[in-house]
Amino acid sequence: RKEVEQDPGPFNVPEGATVAFNCTYSNSASQSFFWYRQDCRKEPKLLMSVYSSGNEDGRFTAQLNRASQYISLLIRDSKLSDSATYLCVPRGGSQGNLIFGKGTKLSVKP
Amino acid sequence: EAGVTQFPSHSVIEKGQTVTLRCDPISGHDNLYWYRRVMGKEIKFLLHFVKESKQDESGMPNNRFLAERTGGTYSTLKVQPAELEDSGVYFCASSQDRVAGLPGETQYFGPGTRLLVL
Repeated sequence: RKEVEQDPGPFNVPEGATVAFNCTYSNSASQSFFWYRQDCRKEPKLLMSVYSSGNEDGRFTAQLNRASQYISLLIRDSKLSDSATYLCVPRGGSQGNLIFGKGTKLSVKP
Repeated sequence: EAGVTQFPSHSVIEKGQTVTLRCDPISGHDNLYWYRRVMGKEIKFLLHFVKESKQDESGMPNNRFLAERTGGTYSTLKVQPAELEDSGVYFCASSQDRVAGLPGETQYFGPGTRLLVL
């Protein structure tokens, strides 16, 4: 089983749409969780941390279900600039390293 | 504030040659990480420095890879001798010490070094 599993997409959506990404992780010792976005040929950039109670940052909402080892990201009112690959990233147990999935590609069309 | 910088941005070398990659973390960040993405695969952890000490090097693929962080500032990653399968993008990231009570420190990534071994 892969450490992080994500639907690779691509998700092709019109501007203004709501889109949801899901992710499962295998390391039950993971304590911290993040969503990063990565533009083509660029470095990953932190989108948001994911807290146990779920959290919202503008148009973005992240949810964590530790029992199911499941993380989600909801994007409302999609913008063209949201087009990118979204990476679900748990942090490994007591270690500092991040564990990356292959990411989900989002393409927002006019 | 300057972000994480990496040098060179690109490197093309022949199999058997040596290449040294450099990473300058954000000033004041004690934690420095190296990651790598080979084509078609996900980004994978290589190693983690805390200041000048190797905290975790479990991701280093083999003994052809040598990472150093003398003085606890910038870090170098040397590949010697390079093999074809070493081609990929090498990312460096840095973070501050974890603050008690917070879910985890944010890692800031550099732009990466694209390595091609021919």
